[in-house]
Amino acid sequence: DAKTTQPPSMDCAEGRAANLPCNHSTISGNEYVYWYRQIHSQGPQYIIHGLKNNETNEMASLIITEDRKSSTLILPHATLRDTAVYYCIVRGDSNYQLIWGAGTKLIIKP
Amino acid sequence: KAGVTQTPRYLIKTRGQQVTLSCSPISGHRSVSWYQQTPGQGLQFLFEYFSETQRNKGNFPGRFSGRQFSNSRSEMNVSTLELGDSALYLCASRESQETQYFGPGTRLLVL
Repeated sequence: DAKTTQPPSMDCAEGRAANLPCNHSTISGNEYVYWYRQIHSQGPQYIIHGLKNNETNEMASLIITEDRKSSTLILPHATLRDTAVYYCIVRGDSNYQLIWGAGTKLIIKP
Repeated sequence: KAGVTQTPRYLIKTRGQQVTLSCSPISGHRSVSWYQQTPGQGLQFLFEYFSETQRNKGNFPGRFSGRQFSNSRSEMNVSTLELGDSALYLCASRESQETQYFGPGTRLLVL
């Protein structure tokens, strides 16, 4: 499975859009990009995933570059409750084991 | 639907003891995976069960074992506990090819 690289930490002002980058330069054609977040050592919470196209749901948007080597998770209007560690994971379509990196610690500031 | 549930939520054991953790998946989900999370190693995959069969296994010693029942509920067991086994143990369930959803975890402290 491809590895991912994320910045260790980021700050964002409350009410602004939070843009979290992820590099996955060794991703292969059948591998999905997944995003989870973990708040206060609770269980990870699923946010969104995608293969090639950009995706949007009620929580966030996922923008995947055309070459699929990087992606950005966008939280459109960040709130204090969005403070968490955000994990970008690449997962194959036959192996459902998730390989976790260190993630990005996102701090939303009032 | 109810989410993934894990019991107990907190547990304190001493070295050398053994422990059993339980996970009830989301209704209809037949796959259950277990992960260990520690501050030093982060989240690491332990094993996955599907229809009562272990499908994948991570790089953990044989002291870590699991099983799945016909109702998809799963248990994991750790024998001869070591201090380093102190961790948050997470269970995740999914339908056949879908997203994994996590439970709240069981926090194990080994003294």
